Amino acid sequence: GENVEQHPSTLSVQEGDSAVIKCTYSDSASNYFPWYKQELGKRPQLIIDIRSNVGEKKDQRIAVTLNKTAKHFSLHITETQPEDSAVYFCAASGANSKLTFGKGITLSVRP
Amino acid sequence: DVKVTQSSRYLVKRTGEKVFLECVQDMDHENMFWYRQDPGLGLRLIYFSYDVKMKEKGDIPEGYSVSREKKERFSLILESASTNQTSMYLCASSLGFQPQHFGDGTRLSIL
Repeated sequence: GENVEQHPSTLSVQEGDSAVIKCTYSDSASNYFPWYKQELGKRPQLIIDIRSNVGEKKDQRIAVTLNKTAKHFSLHITETQPEDSAVYFCAASGANSKLTFGKGITLSVRP
Repeated sequence: DVKVTQSSRYLVKRTGEKVFLECVQDMDHENMFWYRQDPGLGLRLIYFSYDVKMKEKGDIPEGYSVSREKKERFSLILESASTNQTSMYLCASSLGFQPQHFGDGTRLSIL
């Protein structure tokens, strides 16, 4: 089955800097890659997703890139703000709608 | 806006009890999912369902069962609760290959 790995497990950046979170996946048939943000005590919420027919997608300060050959995808957050502090999960799915999640990364944005 | 409602935010049960966790969605989604979330392990899929009365095992189904008698409701059952099932349980739903939407979670403690 699919295996999704997320690195690093924690990341600390200065407010205003950029943050990059990387994930790798194992199943070359995977074609959908969402990113979820989970604030403390709250539900995971989708922040951006990408399908395998595109290489990059951007939404304001957030972007996701996908490299199908290398089987990795990354979340880029520019101009980080304290409210970006949260746990971020990447995930991958294939022909069915079953998602396999990475273990999550805790992003801390220092004021 | 999609609403996924889990019946309890916090639940305390005793070892050996039969435990029911309920999840209801209001958007006529055919797909519903149960995850457990543990620190450092991310979200792990327990069971999912593509339609009424249909169920599929996820990655960690042992000790759990599910029921989907109506499209909007997906129940997770712990047949005989054990302390290692103490966890945060998250329900999600989706339409086709669209993103999954999560409930607020049930923090279950087994004493």
